[in-house]
Amino acid sequence: AQKITQTQPGMFVQEKEAVTLDCTYDTSDQSYGLFWYKQPSSGEMIFLIYQGSYDEQNATEGRYSLNFQKARKSANLVISASQLGDSAMYFCAMREDNYGQNFVFGPGTRLSVLP
Amino acid sequence: DAGITQSPRYKITETGRQVTLMCHQTWSHSYMFWYRQDLGHGLRLIYYSAAADITDKGEVPDGYVVSRSKTENFPLTLESATRSQTSVYFCASKAPPREQFFGPGTRLTVL
Repeated sequence: AQKITQTQPGMFVQEKEAVTLDCTYDTSDQSYGLFWYKQPSSGEMIFLIYQGSYDEQNATEGRYSLNFQKARKSANLVISASQLGDSAMYFCAMREDNYGQNFVFGPGTRLSVLP
Repeated sequence: DAGITQSPRYKITETGRQVTLMCHQTWSHSYMFWYRQDLGHGLRLIYYSAAADITDKGEVPDGYVVSRSKTENFPLTLESATRSQTSVYFCASKAPPREQFFGPGTRLTVL
């Protein structure tokens, strides 16, 4: 069974609007971490935001915020005021502490920002 | 250069040849990882290492060998390359419990 599900293979958003990228996860661990990475067309993997399972507040990093709903096992990425440079693949990932430090990645969502 | 580097960035080889992909990090991170990225699969973990001389298999280890004699280096060897190993390979490192930092990737084509 997939541990990370990203149900949106592709999404479009108008420049300056907000967009939510969905991520659901599956784990029986109590302690885990959730991450979002951006991969632009140039290919590098860029870390965006981190949420720990015990963090009570939703993580925020500039225009990025993580909508963490623990009971629903959901960790959606919200990008506010989209910019053309936000067009990229976005990957949700999880680190389960009972399985060491290795990560599991979702299949990704391709975001296209329209001018 | 500071950070994490991979070499070569591009490699074309033939079926049956041995290929080694290099990864070097300057942060002294204890953990290092190798992933492959294929269309439709996202990133899949091949091997990871918790420290020098400690390695463990990930999701797709078959056909690959790793070693880690020094903290900063984590080479990945394809002992006998196959066409199914054509992929983009990413190396990453981290210091627990935070995020992984990725190298620029190596695009490998096996003919």
